[in-house]
Amino acid sequence: QVQLVQSGAEVKKPGASVKVSCKASGYTFTSYDINWVRQATGQGLEWMGWMNPNSGNTGYALKFQGRVTMTRDTSITTAYMELSSLTSEDTAVYYCARAPYTGSEETFDPWGQGTLVIVSS
Amino acid sequence: QSVLTQPPSVSAAPGQKVTISCSGNTSNIKNNYVSWYQQLPGTAPKLLIYENNQRPSRIPDRFSGSKSGTSATLGITGLQTGDEADYYCGTWDSSLSGVVFGGGTKLTVL
Repeated sequence: QVQLVQSGAEVKKPGASVKVSCKASGYTFTSYDINWVRQATGQGLEWMGWMNPNSGNTGYALKFQGRVTMTRDTSITTAYMELSSLTSEDTAVYYCARAPYTGSEETFDPWGQGTLVIVSS
Repeated sequence: QSVLTQPPSVSAAPGQKVTISCSGNTSNIKNNYVSWYQQLPGTAPKLLIYENNQRPSRIPDRFSGSKSGTSATLGITGLQTGDEADYYCGTWDSSLSGVVFGGGTKLTVL
């Protein structure tokens, strides 16, 4: 079955960077964009950006431009999201999600299980 | 705050019907598809509706979606206690060049 499995929880100090991985299985990795969405505790969903695993092309939300980098390793069907210059405001659960339908950029299915990132001194 | 507006909470009794609204503008909902997601407590969101009114095959027909102008609506009939969750709408925003979500609606099945 189509599945996205993310890396484990991280604790980082302010100013540091975090890199979260998202291992895809059950489908052709290079055929569908991977998006990243985050959710602070008790808050709503916040879209961070997308990456095309075939070309490596990316698109980032304005809020994160200059601070986020989305990459992939097609040999191991894994996508990565790296966020730098962390502050306490970045404490959240980070999700990867596949975009299965061309022309429906807002459709995400499935989602990874989430990775908790805690930023604390 | 969120670009799309949803009511913070809705409630209804088991077996009843409920609707959740999602309001946007011409840059987002009016000219783009809307998706709906269900997030059960402590879990990742799950796709319920895509392209305004399409259901993935695994989603029961108790769930439905519609769109009119700058608003979209999620409908749930035959409410079950297992439907208690947070529900989010999402769409592309052409002005922001990105995906935007509503603030989420907490459904309580009394």
